[in-house]
Amino acid sequence: AQSVSQHNHHVILSEAASLELGCNYSYGGTVNLFWYVQYPGQHLQLLLKYFSGDPLVKGIKGFEAEFIKSKFSFNLRKPSVQWSDTAEYFCAVNDRSNYQLIWGAGTKLIIKP
Amino acid sequence: KAGVTQTPRYLIKTRGQQVTLSCSPISGHRSVSWYQQTPGQGLQFLFEYFSETQRNKGNFPGRFSGRQFSNSRSEMNVSTLELGDSALYLCASSLDPGRQETQYFGPGTRLLVL
Repeated sequence: AQSVSQHNHHVILSEAASLELGCNYSYGGTVNLFWYVQYPGQHLQLLLKYFSGDPLVKGIKGFEAEFIKSKFSFNLRKPSVQWSDTAEYFCAVNDRSNYQLIWGAGTKLIIKP
Repeated sequence: KAGVTQTPRYLIKTRGQQVTLSCSPISGHRSVSWYQQTPGQGLQFLFEYFSETQRNKGNFPGRFSGRQFSNSRSEMNVSTLELGDSALYLCASSLDPGRQETQYFGPGTRLLVL
């Protein structure tokens, strides 16, 4: 069965620090990849997505992610975080042969001002 | 364009009762997916409806059911509630989640089972 693994459940950083959140998936076929973010008290919203093409994807608010097929990874990065990036981040993978998104358990990011 | 709406936003029920949650997708979206979100578990897929047909179902017991109406609005029902059903239930809509579509989420219904 497919699975998505987010290695860090909690991350605490200071403002201006660089961020990298890991996401690995187990599926050998063609996939679509997503990062969603849930700010405190708000809906889940899409940060960025990868369907095909350039494996380095840029999203909103300065976030980017790199799809490395050989490593089954889709890590999220931001060079300099802000206090407003405090949120929970979810990685999700969609097997293109079905309609189901498989989600990681999420990473809670806390940015210290 | 209005986003995905879910009603009610909060519910308190007791064990053994049943509950019905409602989701109105973004106008024009024909697909609705339901998820259960619990702390530390991420989102667990419940089921997905497209044009009033259930296309996919997650690994939840038969107590969890859903339906979709001709206007794409969807309901999910949980019968014989258990304490472990306490969770945030999220609805997401898309034009078609099949392969290239992004899902847009509602605010969720927080269910507490006592």
